Amino acid sequence: AQTVTQSQPEMSVQEAETVTLSCTYDTSESNYYLFWYKQPPSRQMILVIRQEAYKQQNATENRFSVNFQKAAKSFSLKISDSQLGDTAMYFCAFKYPQGGSEKLVFGKGTKLTVNP
Amino acid sequence: DTGVSQNPRHKITKRGQNVTFRCDPISEHNRLYWYRQTLGQGPEFLTYFQNEAQLEKSRLLSDRFSAERPKGSFSTLEIQRTEQGDSAMYLCASSFGTTGTGEFFGPGTRLTVL
Repeated sequence: AQTVTQSQPEMSVQEAETVTLSCTYDTSESNYYLFWYKQPPSRQMILVIRQEAYKQQNATENRFSVNFQKAAKSFSLKISDSQLGDTAMYFCAFKYPQGGSEKLVFGKGTKLTVNP
Repeated sequence: DTGVSQNPRHKITKRGQNVTFRCDPISEHNRLYWYRQTLGQGPEFLTYFQNEAQLEKSRLLSDRFSAERPKGSFSTLEIQRTEQGDSAMYLCASSFGTTGTGEFFGPGTRLTVL
């Protein structure tokens, strides 16, 4: 079974600085999808960035970028120029569409606090 | 685009009662998902619909749980004979197009079973 591990339960960063959140996953498959979701306090989950495993180029979305290391099964999220609004729980998630499966497997999350 | 909506937002019930939650996905989205999230954990997959067909169910979805999407639009999740262990946030999500596009989540329904 696929698993997702986020080894940092909590992190903090100063406003305007850069922070990297770690995520590793376990799968024997070669074609899959990886996601980072953001869940602000008492608000709904938002998709931050996605990566297709067959693409070597790392995905970027404005201040958010990933470092996808397929051989190491690592998918870290880098947030540049951190803003107070980035304070949230961040979840790494994995999807392997075998046999039509649409299940997202989530890690336990990293609580990120951006300090002024 | 009004986003995914869920009702009610909060539900408090007594053990043994039945509860039903509703999810309205983004209008053009043909895929709909239910997840359960307990405190301090990531969401856990419950079930998935493509249009009105329920195509995937987790083993977490015991026989007390049932989900429907009768016309391929809104969906309901019913829990019968609720137990204290059912207390959680129930999240609905929807998506459109091919696998891997990413899901849009609703605000969730928080269930408390006394």
